[in-house]
Amino acid sequence: DQQVKQNSPSLSVQEGRISILNCDYTNSMFDYFLWYKKYPAEGPTFLISISSIKDKNEDGRFTVFLNKSAKHLSLHIVPSQPGDSAVYFCASPSYNTDKLIFGTGTRLQVFP
Amino acid sequence: DTAVSQTPKYLVTQMGNDKSIKCEQNLGHDTMYWYKQDSKKFLKIMFSYNNKELIINETVPNRFSPKSPDKAHLNLHINSLELGDSAVYFCASSFRTSGNIQYFGAGTRLSVL
Repeated sequence: DQQVKQNSPSLSVQEGRISILNCDYTNSMFDYFLWYKKYPAEGPTFLISISSIKDKNEDGRFTVFLNKSAKHLSLHIVPSQPGDSAVYFCASPSYNTDKLIFGTGTRLQVFP
Repeated sequence: DTAVSQTPKYLVTQMGNDKSIKCEQNLGHDTMYWYKQDSKKFLKIMFSYNNKELIINETVPNRFSPKSPDKAHLNLHINSLELGDSAVYFCASSFRTSGNIQYFGAGTRLSVL
């Protein structure tokens, strides 16, 4: 039972354009969401988060949007750069526990 | 200076062997975690310790035993290794009050032959 889903395993975007990575969740009790970025042979690193009291959070080139009614969030990267090429995981803490539930990841490739 | 370090990075072993993976963090965090990333790329929590006390113990075979000698270290010992144990194991740490933002090690790729 995958409570956090990333249905696109991969995405290819040209440098300078917008990258949009999507994530859906099933549990309406989830109220906090995070995006992690992972390079090959490294562990995931925290990128940006959003609380359910907001519908948008921005940090430089990265913006996360949350649509609670649709149980959907997205990560926008503008402009995309080759160094953004990585696997992106969305995650949410399981309600009332210390557990982080991760999606399966989307591999982003930014080409020149 | 690596914040969360795991050793070894690669581990190749035969079925039935016992092996350990070590993890150390120098961030002053009070909580540490072990995750397993399987061939389908699911990243799943296995265990979590807060100040040396076990707080998360997912449905993991008894062959897996975590040990936390102090809050900067969390080791994972695996007995009687099976083919299905082949995966990448990640250690992570955080402050429990901000447990969602976790810092990960580079992973240990375990291959059981």
